[in-house]
Amino acid sequence: SQTIHQWPATLVQPVGSPLSLECTVEGTSNPNLYWYRQAAGRGLQLLFYSVGIGQISSEVPQNLSASRPQDRQFILSSKKLLLSDSGFYLCAWTVKGANTGELFFGEGSRLTVL
Amino acid sequence: QKEVEQNSGPLSVPEGAIASLNCTYSDRGSQSFFWYRQYSGKSPELIMFIYSNGDKEDGRFTAQLNKASQYVSLLIRDSQPSDSATYLCAVNNYKLIFGSGTRLLVRP
Repeated sequence: SQTIHQWPATLVQPVGSPLSLECTVEGTSNPNLYWYRQAAGRGLQLLFYSVGIGQISSEVPQNLSASRPQDRQFILSSKKLLLSDSGFYLCAWTVKGANTGELFFGEGSRLTVL
Repeated sequence: QKEVEQNSGPLSVPEGAIASLNCTYSDRGSQSFFWYRQYSGKSPELIMFIYSNGDKEDGRFTAQLNKASQYVSLLIRDSQPSDSATYLCAVNNYKLIFGSGTRLLVRP
């Protein structure tokens, strides 16, 4: 069966520090991968999606970046965090060719920027 | 106007009652519609999707879609305390747009 893992689960970072969140998918190949952010009491905001290795599409201008160095690995990064980057970050995947609304989410990474 | 709108709630219903969660969307070209459940501090999980006008039933859950009115709803019959969560409506055209969610509280 397919599983998706994210880490770290929680982190507290100072403003201006770098960030790296990692996500891996097991049990499937060539998935579509997504990074979402959920601010407190808000809906899910799509940040990046990827349809293949090295292929990244950005939905929202920001100081975050994403990379997909391997088929089942998706990384979210920042060189210098802002207070507004705090939130619950969710990695998700879908089967390629499937209805793109059927997302499978990882456990999430809760980021607090102080 | 937000692309996908939901009442934030909380919607409070007694155990055993029917909970009715509503969602409106702005893009008439939207093709498919999804309901996700999110427990506090957890990630969302898909519970239902609907593509065609009318009702779709799955166990205690019924999704209803009215494309003319740009309205989609989720009914939960025989509500249980374990149904207490935030319910996110999502609408798909060329990308998936989420509403901010409705918090449901089922009172024992």
